Amino acid sequence: EVQLVESGGDLVQPGRSLRLSCTASGFIFDHYGFHWVRQAPGKGLEWVSRIGWNGGTIAYADSVKGRFTISRDSGKKSLYLQMNSLRTEDTALYYCAKVSCSASSCFLDLWGRGTLVTVSS
Amino acid sequence: EIVLTQSPGTLSLSPGERATLSCRASQSVSSSDLVWYQQKPGQAPRPLLYGASNRATGIPDRFSGSGSGTDFTLTISRLEPEDFAVYYCQQYGSSFTFGQGTKLEIK
Repeated sequence: EVQLVESGGDLVQPGRSLRLSCTASGFIFDHYGFHWVRQAPGKGLEWVSRIGWNGGTIAYADSVKGRFTISRDSGKKSLYLQMNSLRTEDTALYYCAKVSCSASSCFLDLWGRGTLVTVSS
Repeated sequence: EIVLTQSPGTLSLSPGERATLSCRASQSVSSSDLVWYQQKPGQAPRPLLYGASNRATGIPDRFSGSGSGTDFTLTISRLEPEDFAVYYCQQYGSSFTFGQGTKLEIK
């Protein structure tokens, strides 16, 4: 089955760290780039980070730059998001999503179900 | 950073009616970079249109998109009960920002 499954979400105190994982199955992991997108409770979608198919072209939203690090492991078919210095405003459901490109257009064609991160004292 | 503003915030319509959702960018966006997603409660978003007007796999032809530059539109020709959801536009270009969403609700 073609799917992405996120894990690692938890309740953590402000200032602490957390690492999210996203495991892929049903397609060739090494062929695709991935993104992390988050959604605070009752709010809209916020783009967080992206990584290219070869681990390059990494980018971050300004709100997480310097605190979050995206990475991937082809052997484990997994995407990661290392989150340091967590803030209450990082509380959200975190989705990983796979990139698909057709001609000159790209978009996020496959999403996981998300993993919940709650930052609270 | 390009800011996407969607309107209206909430759209109340009945099944069978036509829905028109707007996405306006703070600066020009290439049509090839404009994407629309649908999200239902408790579900992950799913792609509807990419490159402003190309339907993603499995998307029925009642969904269409148009626009260029700073103004883009998602049109649902005849609303079905399953179309009531939240819709987001995204620019997949220099950054990957989303609009704030339009909630399409049953009138």
